Amino acid sequence: DIQMTQSPSSVSASVGDRVTITCQASQGISSWLAWYQQKPGKAPKLLIYAASSLQSGVPSRFSGSGSGTDFTLTISSLQPEDFATYYCQQANSFPFTFGPGTKVDIK
Amino acid sequence: EVQLVESGGGLVQPGGSLRLSCAASGFTFSSYEMNWVRQAPGKGLEWVSYISSSGSTIYYADSVKGRFTISRDNAKNSLYLQMNSLRAEDTAVYYCARGIVVVPYYFDYWGQGTLVTVSS
Repeated sequence: DIQMTQSPSSVSASVGDRVTITCQASQGISSWLAWYQQKPGKAPKLLIYAASSLQSGVPSRFSGSGSGTDFTLTISSLQPEDFATYYCQQANSFPFTFGPGTKVDIK
Repeated sequence: EVQLVESGGGLVQPGGSLRLSCAASGFTFSSYEMNWVRQAPGKGLEWVSYISSSGSTIYYADSVKGRFTISRDNAKNSLYLQMNSLRAEDTAVYYCARGIVVVPYYFDYWGQGTLVTVSS
């Protein structure tokens, strides 16, 4: 199985900050990666798929990059509604696996 | 509006069984591949199972293989997860999730989840 790691596990940031979260796969997954946002008590929301494609309706302050084993999610200017936990997910092969999550909270 | 509504969760004893359902509406269910994803309390996301649009292709996580069975009824716009031989570690919120059209291994719509608690 492909293992996914994320760093940092948590980050404290202020509104307007640029936030970067990284995700690493245990083996190459080309661009088969998605990013999700989850708020407490809610279902995850797809933000980015295919490493860098913005899901319809997601604000352009979210962007994704990377290929192979190393990926990045960037929030260019953090907004109050962005405080949440972010997960990466590999879609290269079954079983699909998620990273452990990165919690973005208020500084 | 796309909607996925799970039901069937609850408290069950170890070794017991439960059947989860996911009712889909607002889209052509028979054209989409579907998944179950779970989340243990306070923990991260774990993919559980996948089923193709026709039901002909199915995959499971090793942690549930041989105990869980995914199925669908396209005439009823419904997805199911039959869970047998339940263990304490199966305790989680179970989400049904739709695969996106372009590449169905990304999940664009999720239900609100149904909680399964395995405890004596």
